Amino acid sequence: AQSVSQHNHHVILSEAASLELGCNYSYGGTVNLFWYVQYPGQHLQLLLKYFSGDPLVKGIKGFEAEFIKSKFSFNLRKPSVQWSDTAEYFCAVNLKAAGNKLTFGGGTRVLVKP
Amino acid sequence: EAGVTQFPSHSVIEKGQTVTLRCDPISGHDNLYWYRRVMGKEIKFLLHFVKESKQDESGMPNNRFLAERTGGTYSTLKVQPAELEDSGVYFCASSQVPSGRAAYNEQFFGPGTRLTVL
Repeated sequence: AQSVSQHNHHVILSEAASLELGCNYSYGGTVNLFWYVQYPGQHLQLLLKYFSGDPLVKGIKGFEAEFIKSKFSFNLRKPSVQWSDTAEYFCAVNLKAAGNKLTFGGGTRVLVKP
Repeated sequence: EAGVTQFPSHSVIEKGQTVTLRCDPISGHDNLYWYRRVMGKEIKFLLHFVKESKQDESGMPNNRFLAERTGGTYSTLKVQPAELEDSGVYFCASSQVPSGRAAYNEQFFGPGTRLTVL
């Protein structure tokens, strides 16, 4: 079955550390790729998206992600995290041939210690 | 501009009862989606409306779930009768229909309704 996998369920790191969250998907067709974030007590909100073009995309709050088609991956990165980056992060994939629905990974809870 | 709103924020019911969740999308968004996150699992797609029509209901778990969007504005999701495994957070999202060269538009999510079935 088609799926989205996030490599880590929980990540704990200190402020100023670098963050990389892995995301792999199993779809063979053309995809749109997303990272969403849910801060404590808040809605899911879009961090960044990839539709086409430059595979390195930049999002809000200093986040970026790289689409590597050959590896079916869309990893999220931030060079230096802050305490306010504590949140749950979700990778999501839209398979163009399957309509508008999003398929989500299981989420990664990130705790940044001050 | 108001975001996607959902009501109630929490609902606790007993097995066998009926619950109706409501979603108000962003004004002007013809696409409306329902998703669900069961404890410890991933967020899963339930269904997609375009205006009042069900475009894709492939994620609806069974016939105890009924979604409606009369008039193409707000949507309701009714669970009747509720079972223990229906517990989770139900998210609603909305988006504009792509226009021009845009192939896809961002989905904006509501805060979710946390449903607990005892």
